[in-house]
This record gives sequence, structure tokens and C-alpha cells, in this order.
Amino acid sequence: GQQLNQSPQSMFIQEGEDVSMNCTSSSIFNTWLWYKQDPGEGPVLLIALYKAGELTSNGRLTAQFGITRKDSFLNISASIPSDVGIYFCAGGTSYGKLTFGQGTILTVHP
Amino acid sequence: EAGVVQSPRYKIIEKKQPVAFWCNPISGHNTLYWYRQNLGQGPELLIRYENEEAVDDSQLPKDRFSAERLKGVDSTLKIQPAELGDSAVYLCASSLELQGSAFFGQGTRLTVV
Repeated sequence: GQQLNQSPQSMFIQEGEDVSMNCTSSSIFNTWLWYKQDPGEGPVLLIALYKAGELTSNGRLTAQFGITRKDSFLNISASIPSDVGIYFCAGGTSYGKLTFGQGTILTVHP
Repeated sequence: EAGVVQSPRYKIIEKKQPVAFWCNPISGHNTLYWYRQNLGQGPELLIRYENEEAVDDSQLPKDRFSAERLKGVDSTLKIQPAELGDSAVYLCASSLELQGSAFFGQGTRLTVV
């Protein structure tokens, strides 16, 4: 089946630093979605990408849909304490199946 | 507009007992997903509906799990009988269309003792 490799598994950064995480796959996807999950809550959609090469921003977040359609990255600029959480990538196929990565745990030290 | 609503938020049951989870998707969303999330892992798809039709249930353990989406709106996921290994968070999500962005509910945390 399809698998996504998300890295890094965890990150410990200082407030104000920039963060970068990525997902790679051996399969092609039609969409890439990035989610953030806080403890005890469901994943919240941050950014959706629908086209190869697309670069999309949402405030301090920027994500790109890789040109090969097999990868995507998420950048967070000038991190703040509330950025703490688990970030998941998800790849979507043409028939609507979403496959999730294993998550990146982000810790921000004030 | 209300998001995806799930109930209950938490459930503790003894093994071999039945349990059911309910989900009401965002109004107008035709696609509904049930995911299971184990501790420290990403969500894994159990079943996906397009309106009332289950179009992908390949990962649903059909010996003990069942789901329905009557009238193509809300949905119920049932486990009977529950096993210790079923302890997890069960997430429901919906999207407007097949390749659209999926929005999640808060999940139901199931503990089987």
C-alpha cells in the first residue's frame, strides 16, 4: 500500500526560529494536505495543495507540492509557543483516498 | 457553520462488549471517512463513504467492525465485540468532494479494559 515518510519525527526549537518538515512517498499523489493536531483534539487542516509545483502560504506557514508529485514540505517561520503540536502530512489520490504520515512532534521553547 | 460533530468524546468499556460511535459531517459534504489513530501514529483509514455508498472498506476488520451511513448524512461505526487492541482514537472526517480537503471531528477516545 501507499506509505508516506514524514521527517523529522520530532523537533525542539527556540521561539522565533524557523521550522521545516517534509513528506516523501514512492507513490504519486493528486493532493497534499498539512494538518496540526493538539492533544485530545482532531487534526486541523492548515494548508491544502492541489497542483504539482504549487506554493501556498497561510500566515507564517508555507507549503509546497513537489514537482514530482511524490513529496511536499511545510515551513513555519518565526515560531511561537502555540505552534507546539503534532504536524501531519496527508497525500490524496484521484479517487479520494487520504494516506497520512507518522507525524512530526514540534516543541517550541520560549 | 458547524464542523464535524462526533459523539461520545470518551468511552470506556470492558472487552467483549459492543460500542458505537456517531458522526455528523459538515452539511453538504458527500464524502465521509472513519479513521483510527493509535497513540503516536498518524490516522489510518477504516472506511470511506461517497453519499451512502461505502467505496473503500478494505481496511475495516469486518469480523467485528461495521459501519453505516443511512441517507448519506450522519454515520455510525460499531465494534462488536471489542478487544483490548481496539483502544484508540476514532476520527470522523468529511469533505465536499472526492478530492477535496478533509475536515476532522474531535474524535472519540476508546479505552477497552
